[in-house]
Amino acid sequence: DAGVIQSPRHEVTEMGQEVTLRCKPISGHNSLFWYRQTMMRGLELLIYFNNNVPIDDSGMPEDRFSAKMPNASFSTLKIQPSEPRDSAVYFCASSLWIERVREQYFGPGTRLTVT
Amino acid sequence: KNEVEQSPQNLTAQEGEFITINCSYSVGISALHWLQQHPGGGIVSLFMLSSGKKKHGRLIATINIQEKHSSLHITASHPRDSAVYICAGQETSGSRLTFGEGTQLTVNP
Repeated sequence: DAGVIQSPRHEVTEMGQEVTLRCKPISGHNSLFWYRQTMMRGLELLIYFNNNVPIDDSGMPEDRFSAKMPNASFSTLKIQPSEPRDSAVYFCASSLWIERVREQYFGPGTRLTVT
Repeated sequence: KNEVEQSPQNLTAQEGEFITINCSYSVGISALHWLQQHPGGGIVSLFMLSSGKKKHGRLIATINIQEKHSSLHITASHPRDSAVYICAGQETSGSRLTFGEGTQLTVNP
C-alpha cells in the first residue's frame, strides 16, 4: 500500500488566496483525521471523519477553514481566505475504526506558507 | 496546565544509553499513543496501549492507568533514534487525540 497520500507537499501562497489541501487515505480505512502542527501550538486535531461523516470539527479554527470527504478515498481541507497565521504543516492521517480506533497512519504532510 | 504533559522536553544521550521519556495525563483516556517524528517531519505511530506494556524491538512502552502515567523506553540507543517523541491521549468517547508537546531526543555517537 502506498500509505496516506497528501498533496501538495509544499504550498506557498499570498494572503487572501484560497488554499486546498488534499488527502487520500489508506484503502480500507474508514477514519480520517486532519491535523495542524506549528512551533507554538504543536500538533492539533482540526477535524475527523468516520465513514465519510464529520464527527468532531471543534478544532477547526474559524469559518475560513472547511473540510470535506466526498467519498472513502478522498478528503480536502480548504482555507479561504488564507492568512499568514495559517502557515503550518498540515497532516492527514487515516485509521480503521471497528470497535474503537486503531493506530493512526500519517501522511507526509503539506507545508503551507502564507505570505 | 496541559491535559497531556511530557518530560523531559529535550534529552541528549550517548549511543548505547537507556532512555526514558515520561508522559502524564490529567483526563480519562481510552488509549495512549506514542508517535515518533523524524527530522524530516514524517510521523510514525510507535505504540497504542490501554494497559500494561508493549515491546517492539528496542522500544518498550508502559502505562499505569491508576497513576495516569506512561513511559517510553529505548534500550541500547542509537543515533538513528534521534527524533521527536510525542505522546497523545485518546478520548474515551471517540477518536480525538490530545497531544503532548513532544520530547526532542538526540543520541550522539
